[in-house]
Amino acid sequence: AQSVTQPDIHITVSEGASLELRCNYSYGATPYLFWYVQSPGQGLQLLLKYFSGDTLVQGIKGFEAEFKRSQSSFNLRKPSVHWSDAAEYFCAVSEPGNYQLIWGAGTKLIIKP
Amino acid sequence: DAGVIQSPRHEVTEMGQEVTLRCKPISGHNSLFWYRQTMMRGLELLIYFNNNVPIDDSGMPEDRFSAKMPNASFSTLKIQPSEPRDSAVYFCASRPGQGMGQPQHFGDGTRLSIL
Repeated sequence: AQSVTQPDIHITVSEGASLELRCNYSYGATPYLFWYVQSPGQGLQLLLKYFSGDTLVQGIKGFEAEFKRSQSSFNLRKPSVHWSDAAEYFCAVSEPGNYQLIWGAGTKLIIKP
Repeated sequence: DAGVIQSPRHEVTEMGQEVTLRCKPISGHNSLFWYRQTMMRGLELLIYFNNNVPIDDSGMPEDRFSAKMPNASFSTLKIQPSEPRDSAVYFCASRPGQGMGQPQHFGDGTRLSIL
């Protein structure tokens, strides 16, 4: 069965520092991969997605993610975080052609001033 | 373009009462999902509709929960009778069909508290 692991429950970074949030998945082939962000009291907003092609994908708000097949990973990165990036970040995968998203447990990002 | 609209944003009610949550998906989206989010269990898919037809309701916790989609622009999730353990944030999401890599678009959720 598919699974998604986000190993970090919380991450604290200083404003202006770089960020990498980890996501590993378990699936035999290449799934569709997504990163969503949830600000307090809000719904989930799509940051970026990957399903084929260039393994480095650009998203909104200055985020990017890199698909590494050999490591079954889809890590999210940002070169310089802003206080407004404080939120919870969810990685999700789906099998091509399947409606269901398998969700990671989320990583809460805390920004130090 | 309006996003997914959910109402109410907050609901506080006493156990035993009927609760109805509402969702208007994005126009043209023919897939609709209801999720529940709690600290303990994270995001759980409750039910999935495609073209207004329930395709997968295996996530609906028990018979107290029911969902309908009478037309392409409206869905409801009903809990009757409600219990304190139903307290959670309930999200509705929609998606434009089943094409490659189509992401789900989420509403802002309904925060439900059952006293």
